[in-house]
Amino acid sequence: AQKVTQAQTEISVVEKEDVTLDCVYETRDTTYYLFWYKQPPSGELVFLIRRNSFDEQNEISGRYSWNFQKSTSSFNFTITASQVVDSAVYFCALSQWGAQKLVFGQGTRLTINP
Amino acid sequence: EAGVTQFPSHSVIEKGQTVTLRCDPISGHDNLYWYRRVMGKEIKFLLHFVKESKQDESGMPNNRFLAERTGGTYSTLKVQPAELEDSGVYFCASSQVGVSSYEQYFGPGTRLTVT
Repeated sequence: AQKVTQAQTEISVVEKEDVTLDCVYETRDTTYYLFWYKQPPSGELVFLIRRNSFDEQNEISGRYSWNFQKSTSSFNFTITASQVVDSAVYFCALSQWGAQKLVFGQGTRLTINP
Repeated sequence: EAGVTQFPSHSVIEKGQTVTLRCDPISGHDNLYWYRRVMGKEIKFLLHFVKESKQDESGMPNNRFLAERTGGTYSTLKVQPAELEDSGVYFCASSQVGVSSYEQYFGPGTRLTVT
């Protein structure tokens, strides 16, 4: 069975601080995909990133970076120099290779205070 | 390009009533998914359409839920009769076929409250 755990229910930081959102997953599959989604107050889930299980390179996109470590089954997300607009609920998710249904974590509510 | 739209945004019904949720995917997206988030829990998969065919309905909780996608365009999710535990936010998502199928675009959800 697949499972995604986001242990941090809520995080609150002051603007310009760096913040890391943790994601730990469980799967018996050797090939799979990992995702991060952002849910702003408007409600829709916004796709941020997808990683293949065989590609452990870290990825950076502007102030966002992702650290994928198979050895610890983790796919953590870091926001550098956080901004108020980063305030949202962030979801980590997993899918099997060849299947498209997403298994989500519980989400982390991130609040960036000015 | 219009995103995934869902209607209504909110629905409040009494236990035992029927509710129909609608999802319009992004134009040209053959894949359509339904998910729901019950209060305090994680978002869970309900089912997946490829065009008008049900590809995977392993997440449908019981036979009170009926999903359709006639003509392979918009989809409806009917709950009949609704129970208290059906309350939550119902999300619809769509994606293209092929490698891009793994990038799902979500709608804003329908918040269903059963009283």
